[in-house]
Amino acid sequence: KAGVTQTPRYLIKTRGQQVTLSCSPISGHRSVSWYQQTPGQGLQFLFEYFSETQRNKGNFPGRFSGRQFSNSRSEMNVSTLELGDSALYLCASSLAVSSNYGYTFGSGTRLTVV
Amino acid sequence: GENVEQHPSTLSVQEGDSAVIKCTYSDSASNYFPWYKQELGKGPQLIIDIRSNVGEKKDQRIAVTLNKTAKHFSLHITETQPEDSAVYFCAASIGGSQGNLIFGKGTKLSVKP
Repeated sequence: KAGVTQTPRYLIKTRGQQVTLSCSPISGHRSVSWYQQTPGQGLQFLFEYFSETQRNKGNFPGRFSGRQFSNSRSEMNVSTLELGDSALYLCASSLAVSSNYGYTFGSGTRLTVV
Repeated sequence: GENVEQHPSTLSVQEGDSAVIKCTYSDSASNYFPWYKQELGKGPQLIIDIRSNVGEKKDQRIAVTLNKTAKHFSLHITETQPEDSAVYFCAASIGGSQGNLIFGKGTKLSVKP
């Protein structure tokens, strides 16, 4: 079956712009989490969604927001982009918030801010 | 705040040898501890996980041990192969939520033929 799909794979944006990243979870999965990966800070938690509700939010500024739709697809938005937002943004999905199967990651969206 | 320390940051072994990566965590409420393998250009891949009610789990050449008292958990890879070369991350759940993970900084494992 298809894995976690993230689009687009690569994105180049200018400082001050905004960006929307998309994540389609594995079919049947209802829980989606987002992470930012950078060489300096490693993998950092952004948000966790289940059944269209945000359950947890990481320590990121309000410029970072997200949502989940009724079909479990999720989007994250970053407004007023800064150079430091350049990173690999990863989405992961699971059947439920606490399941026996863990979270499966997508390949990520590589965002470059210039 | 919550923290996961991972050691070593790099590890080089000969093919066939064993590799051990160790992590410590700070959040007493953590109850789920996955290990991920990340290859270049790909997202992290879950290779094994363990929950706080279990002390050890094994899957073929890979095993994980958990010491809740000491807040330590370790990944053991036996009979390493060149295709095991990758970056390995340990993680711990925050507040009991499997979808909210704090990750270690990663270990770059190189297996030399």
